[in-house]
Amino acid sequence: QVQLVESGGGVVQPGGSLRLSCAASGFTFSSYGMHWVRQAPGKGLEWVAFIRYDGSNKYYADSVKGRFTISRDNSKNTLYLQMNSLRAEDTAVYYCAVPLRSMLWGQGTLVTVSS
Amino acid sequence: QLVLTQSPSASASLGASVKLTCTLSSGHSSYAIAWHQQQPEKGPRYLMKLNSDGSHSKGDGIPDRFSGSSSGAERYLTISSLQSEDEADYYCQTWGTGILVFGGGTKLTVL
Repeated sequence: QVQLVESGGGVVQPGGSLRLSCAASGFTFSSYGMHWVRQAPGKGLEWVAFIRYDGSNKYYADSVKGRFTISRDNSKNTLYLQMNSLRAEDTAVYYCAVPLRSMLWGQGTLVTVSS
Repeated sequence: QLVLTQSPSASASLGASVKLTCTLSSGHSSYAIAWHQQQPEKGPRYLMKLNSDGSHSKGDGIPDRFSGSSSGAERYLTISSLQSEDEADYYCQTWGTGILVFGGGTKLTVL
């Protein structure tokens, strides 16, 4: 079954850190670039980061550059998002997504940054 | 700058048709886009990729009621024979180098 499953969300204080994971199955993970996209409560979709299939290139939204790091472990079919120096405005549901023949989305994991 | 513009809301009656619009910013009228649907309390679902010539490729299981078309910098999503489950947010999305760009979304209400 082709699917993406995110995990690692939770409540964290401002300035704290969190690492999200996205487990992929049903397709050749090592052949595809991967995205993280987030959605703040009541807001639209915001692209966060992208990593090429081999990890050779990474791209970030200006809003997270220098604070978030995208990475992947192709031996574990897993995508990561290390989030540091978290702010209240980072509160969102975080989705991983992969551009297969069509874009496949995960179900999302909620990150709440609050004191 | 690559920007996608969508009307915040739209409405249509059950069984009717509705046409949603996504407008590409100046200088980007040749770009392809994708349409995604997000039903209440759910994650996004890919509907289709729509090219500048109006050709489109839908995702698996997307009903024939969903179709796409293009005119200049405008990209359209038409939903016919509206059903209650079509009430959702619809996002257009395009691609830059390594990045995704999303429109602000259109909230569709089925009356």
